[in-house]
Amino acid sequence: DTEVTQTPKHLVMGMTNKKSLKCEQHMGHRAMYWYKQKAKKPPELMFVYSYEKLSINESVPSRFSPECPNSSLLNLHLHALQPEDSALYLCASSHPVLIDTQYFGPGTRLTVL
Amino acid sequence: QKEVEQNSGPLSVPEGAIASLNCTYSDRGSQSFFWYRQYSGKSPELIMFIYSNGDKEDGRFTAQLNKASQYVSLLIRDSQPSDSATYLCAVGPSGGGADGLTFGKGTHLIIQP
Repeated sequence: DTEVTQTPKHLVMGMTNKKSLKCEQHMGHRAMYWYKQKAKKPPELMFVYSYEKLSINESVPSRFSPECPNSSLLNLHLHALQPEDSALYLCASSHPVLIDTQYFGPGTRLTVL
Repeated sequence: QKEVEQNSGPLSVPEGAIASLNCTYSDRGSQSFFWYRQYSGKSPELIMFIYSNGDKEDGRFTAQLNKASQYVSLLIRDSQPSDSATYLCAVGPSGGGADGLTFGKGTHLIIQP
């Protein structure tokens, strides 16, 4: 089983709103990731959590705030976003042995008005 | 700066033929290589990974790796219309680990019935 779940599937928010994206996996994976994907572009890495600690932040603006409450759950808190932040936000987790091997969730389609 | 290069296509292949997708990478220290399939509006789905030089087969898919030439390919035999998608080549971090993947821009494959 390689299931990563993400909620919500779609999110529309204004520039002054605060919202959160949620990602969950119950496969015992110890590394989890957030990627951002714009239309017709490849996924771009945003954050990496390894053993519940933030290990990589790819110079992401502070209006995106990640959180890893436990080994199964990853959140991305959003505040004061811009229309150019509209994208597909993908969560992934890594196989515990083949740790490079990442499995993606279905994504959250975010639209910022 | 690691780079992963793919021909963006579209690559058009008749149904039943072999589709050949190619990828080159810049970081000679890369150790892990992945092919993801992405349907329009959906998240990337892992279809093959390869770590060692040579061929790796899984059903209709064969991944080929040549580290000396820094070249990875994916062959799809007996192509079906359902194989029409964007194929993303991804490279893992040098030395392995949970550092995120570097993606190529993807090749848009069209299987003509």
